[in-house]
Amino acid sequence: DIQMTQSPASLSASLEEIVTITCQASQDIGNWLAWYQQKPGKSPQLLIYDATSLADGVPSRFSGSRSGTQYSLKISRLQVEDIGSYYCQQAHSNPTFGGGTKLELK
Amino acid sequence: QVQLKESGPGLVQPSQTLSLTCTVSGFSLTSYNVHWVRQPTGKGLEWMGVIWTGGSTDYNSALKSRLSISRDTSKSQVFLKMNSLQTEDIATYYCARDGLPGYLDYWGQGVMVTVSS
Repeated sequence: DIQMTQSPASLSASLEEIVTITCQASQDIGNWLAWYQQKPGKSPQLLIYDATSLADGVPSRFSGSRSGTQYSLKISRLQVEDIGSYYCQQAHSNPTFGGGTKLELK
Repeated sequence: QVQLKESGPGLVQPSQTLSLTCTVSGFSLTSYNVHWVRQPTGKGLEWMGVIWTGGSTDYNSALKSRLSISRDTSKSQVFLKMNSLQTEDIATYYCARDGLPGYLDYWGQGVMVTVSS
């Protein structure tokens, strides 16, 4: 199985700050990578797919990038509604998720 | 619009079988794959398995011996059955649509399952 190592596990940031979360794949997955946001008590929501494509309705302050087998999610200017947990997921084979990043306000 | 809704008992006795139903609307099970994902409280997401548009299935290797996913296309329902439940199986169980190949674009609200006698 493909392992996804996500970091950091938790993150505290201020409003308007730039936030970056990363995922490292255990093998080449190409661009088969998604990011999900999960707000407390809610179901996960797709943010980004194919490593860099924004899902419908997702604000443009979210972006995804890839460097080899390392993938990053960037929030350009943190807003209060961005607080929650974030997960990466590889779609190269049967899905596996990263361990998650809990994003809190400083 | 696209909707998925999980249903089933919130409490299962240890060693018994969990049976959950995912009722979908707004799309056909013969056009989209449906996955099951679970999440222990306060922890991360674990992919459990998928039923493909043709009716075949794939399972997480860690759960494969205990897990079965099936469907009734006429009722737009997907079923999850997992036997030999233990406390490690306490979690919220989600069904989700595979709308962009490999990616889960719509999720149900989830159903919380507790294992206790």
